[in-house]
Amino acid sequence: SAVISQKPSRDICQRGTSLTIQCQVDSQVTMMFWYRQQPGQSLTLIATANQGSEATYESGFVIDKFPISRPNLTFSTLTVSNMSPEDSSIYLCSVDRTEKFLYNEQFFGPGTRLTVL
Amino acid sequence: DQQVKQNSPSLSVQEGRISILNCDYTNSMFDYFLWYKKYPAEGPTFLISISSIKDKNEDGRFTVFLNKSAKHLSLHIVPSQPGDSAVYFCAASFISNFGNEKLTFGTGTRLTIIP
Repeated sequence: SAVISQKPSRDICQRGTSLTIQCQVDSQVTMMFWYRQQPGQSLTLIATANQGSEATYESGFVIDKFPISRPNLTFSTLTVSNMSPEDSSIYLCSVDRTEKFLYNEQFFGPGTRLTVL
Repeated sequence: DQQVKQNSPSLSVQEGRISILNCDYTNSMFDYFLWYKKYPAEGPTFLISISSIKDKNEDGRFTVFLNKSAKHLSLHIVPSQPGDSAVYFCAASFISNFGNEKLTFGTGTRLTIIP
């Protein structure tokens, strides 16, 4: 399994500010994913971060609000821009275990708990 | 539209007995199903999976059953242990329009094992 770390583990932010969350993996992976878990809700996929190309966003999520970087095969960032209290969530990154297009489990980071005041 | 549903938000089971967690899905395109366990302040960890060509997969104390006609799967844990107390997420997958594997999660069931 991959070892995944996220920074920060938690943060409290003011409305209108932005926060960048970092995700580091201990091995090279093709695909990285960013999820959000709002209080009492399931995990919702925000976008897939592809190395060397633009991230692909799910319905309801846009690049201006959640810009993503994927500079190499072990690292990605997610920025939550112009935050509002509705953005208070746990944000998780995950990676695929094996090759693209093969069904396989994803491994998750520990998550970043964001509270927006 | 919640495509993966876990209708029991919580479940309490006596230690040593069987825990049964249920999951229903609506999208017939799903063909791979996974269970994740999540402890507080940690990310979900993969537990067990099953592809739609099977109806049962077993790994130690954990068995997942898939009933495709009913669009239902269940996770059985036997015997249940105190360390099994966690939130369990059911997830379903298929190849998306972008060619990426995409997981859709249920809302989770909090399992409490009573010593």
